[in-house]
Amino acid sequence: SQQGEEDPQALSIQEGENATMNCSYKTSINNLQWYRQNSGRGLVHLILIRSNEREKHSGRLRVTLDTSKKSSSLLITASRAADTASYFCATDRYDYKLSFGAGTTVTVRA
Amino acid sequence: DAGVIQSPRHEVTEMGQEVTLRCKPISGHNSLFWYRQTMMRGLELLIYFNNNVPIDDSGMPEDRFSAKMPNASFSTLKIQPSEPRDSAVYFCASSVDREAFFGQGTRLTVV
Repeated sequence: SQQGEEDPQALSIQEGENATMNCSYKTSINNLQWYRQNSGRGLVHLILIRSNEREKHSGRLRVTLDTSKKSSSLLITASRAADTASYFCATDRYDYKLSFGAGTTVTVRA
Repeated sequence: DAGVIQSPRHEVTEMGQEVTLRCKPISGHNSLFWYRQTMMRGLELLIYFNNNVPIDDSGMPEDRFSAKMPNASFSTLKIQPSEPRDSAVYFCASSVDREAFFGQGTRLTVV
């Protein structure tokens, strides 16, 4: 079964708007990671947040982590057409197991 | 480094045939993962290795699936016999410090 579950399943926004997606997970984690997948390609790592961190930034990406609620969010600011992709959260456990959620499909309209 | 290399990129086979997918991880990476992606089930972790040792194969759907990692630079995922429901994109990924690097995947079609 999936360790992480993303919400919403799909998101359509106008270029320049912000996109927010959420991830909930079930068990204890070492880190939580976010990946992007363009159609027909392999996943690409975006950002990792450790279990003792609450917020992390990387360029136009902002990730939050609430371990008490077992949830994380990914915010993409000032979206661009090139941000159109599927975004996955992944839970990273102490035993190296890396499990992915179902993903959020983001469409950025020009 | 060329990244994670998977072969073949596409495979079409008949039901009942044996299929072998191959993966060359990034040099120096000590963890290797095999995933299967379908529209219905999303991205499923099949098995993962750490330092060439299988750690967790609980995601392998049936005994028809097997995976090996004979050395640090090569892994195989074998399906014998293959069935139409095995049709999917199979990804291999490797990591050294938690961040996983994915190959381009093998699109398997079983007819």
